[in-house]
Amino acid sequence: DTGVSQNPRHKITKRGQNVTFRCDPISEHNRLYWYRQTLGQGPEFLTYFQNEAQLEKSRLLSDRFSAERPKGSFSTLEIQRTEQGDSAMYLCASSPAEGPEAFFGQGTRLTVV
Amino acid sequence: KNEVEQSPQNLTAQEGEFITINCSYSVGISALHWLQQHPGGGIVSLFMLSSGKKKHGRLIATINIQEKHSSLHITASHPRDSAVYICAVVSNTGNQFYFGTGTSLTVIP
Repeated sequence: DTGVSQNPRHKITKRGQNVTFRCDPISEHNRLYWYRQTLGQGPEFLTYFQNEAQLEKSRLLSDRFSAERPKGSFSTLEIQRTEQGDSAMYLCASSPAEGPEAFFGQGTRLTVV
Repeated sequence: KNEVEQSPQNLTAQEGEFITINCSYSVGISALHWLQQHPGGGIVSLFMLSSGKKKHGRLIATINIQEKHSSLHITASHPRDSAVYICAVVSNTGNQFYFGTGTSLTVIP
């Protein structure tokens, strides 16, 4: 297993376009997290899945944001009608069913121009 | 108020110096992570602690659960240690990570 994989690594998009990011967690990790990190700040929680169920969503996740984990394996994060303020690093992490261990992906850096 | 506070925000050190980064938290936790983030974004977990002290090479991490405080020490610092170091705690519900804003370390040759 090569760890948590995120694609793409970089995305540049025009304001108003939709973008979708993918996260492949470590196999058999049933917990998956999405975070957003802006320059100079620590990661901020966006949402959390346990298997395919989305159990928590941050108020940062406006109605333009949607996340799915349809089969409890990979997850996608979609941003509709992107705004310049959406420019950030989007990080994914996965954890096994029990315990506080976590593994992070390399992140997807989004630039909205 | 952030659940996790780190200090200092920025740190510049000469190669060979002993470095300490501090983390205080206000929530109940099951564990604390020290994370390293190099330019380009990838995050690596250096340590996961729930008590006591851990050592890996030149890195030492300690945690005091009663005082809700952890420190990361780097002995004999090297320019390749230059990175952002982030403290993250795992809530004792197990579902939430809280992150500090990070300490940007620059080690000058």
